[in-house]
Amino acid sequence: GAGVSQSPSNKVTEKGKDVELRCDPISGHTALYWYRQRLGQGLEFLIYFQGNSAPDKSGLPSDRFSAERTGESVSTLTIQRTQQEDSAVYLCASSVWGGNSPLHFGNGTRLTVT
Amino acid sequence: DAKTTQPNSMESNEEEPVHLPCNHSTISGTDYIHWYRQLPSQGPEYVIHGLTSNVNNRMASLAIAEDRKSSTLILHRATLRDAAVYYCILRDVGNEKLTFGTGTRLTIIP
Repeated sequence: GAGVSQSPSNKVTEKGKDVELRCDPISGHTALYWYRQRLGQGLEFLIYFQGNSAPDKSGLPSDRFSAERTGESVSTLTIQRTQQEDSAVYLCASSVWGGNSPLHFGNGTRLTVT
Repeated sequence: DAKTTQPNSMESNEEEPVHLPCNHSTISGTDYIHWYRQLPSQGPEYVIHGLTSNVNNRMASLAIAEDRKSSTLILHRATLRDAAVYYCILRDVGNEKLTFGTGTRLTIIP
């Protein structure tokens, strides 16, 4: 079946512009995660959505970062007034709810801020 | 979150078994041991997870020490496609987040 889909796959933007990244989770997956991966580094947790519960935003690095999810469908991650340090691969994952359900990751959006 | 320690890198010959170690001396009784791997230019991929008993699936085996303070991911016959960064992660039953470390970069020698 279809996996997690992210778009765009690559995005180049100028410093100071806003960007919006999209994630289409696997159908039926109630949990959705966003992570950031800087070049050569591990994954940093950003935000987690589970059903209609309040999202866990504890990993968002600043108030320039926000994310939304409508029900159990698409999620968008928005970065306002981008900075060069925002350059990274942004990865989305989804899973069925349950403590040990595997996360299924998309291939990410590579964001370059010039 | 309890922390894991992995070697930064390992090499293995193609078609031979690979044993990837992970230390987690501060593991709690409700922490599951999860392994993911990340191939170049892709998102991480789930490999296997376990609590106390050894686990096998089509991708790998997970051997867990009796005191649970360490574990080993076993690839029975490495191929070039197994070259990736392998992450060992502890996940509490009540915690939905996965906290990734820096993992082990596995290189397969043809």
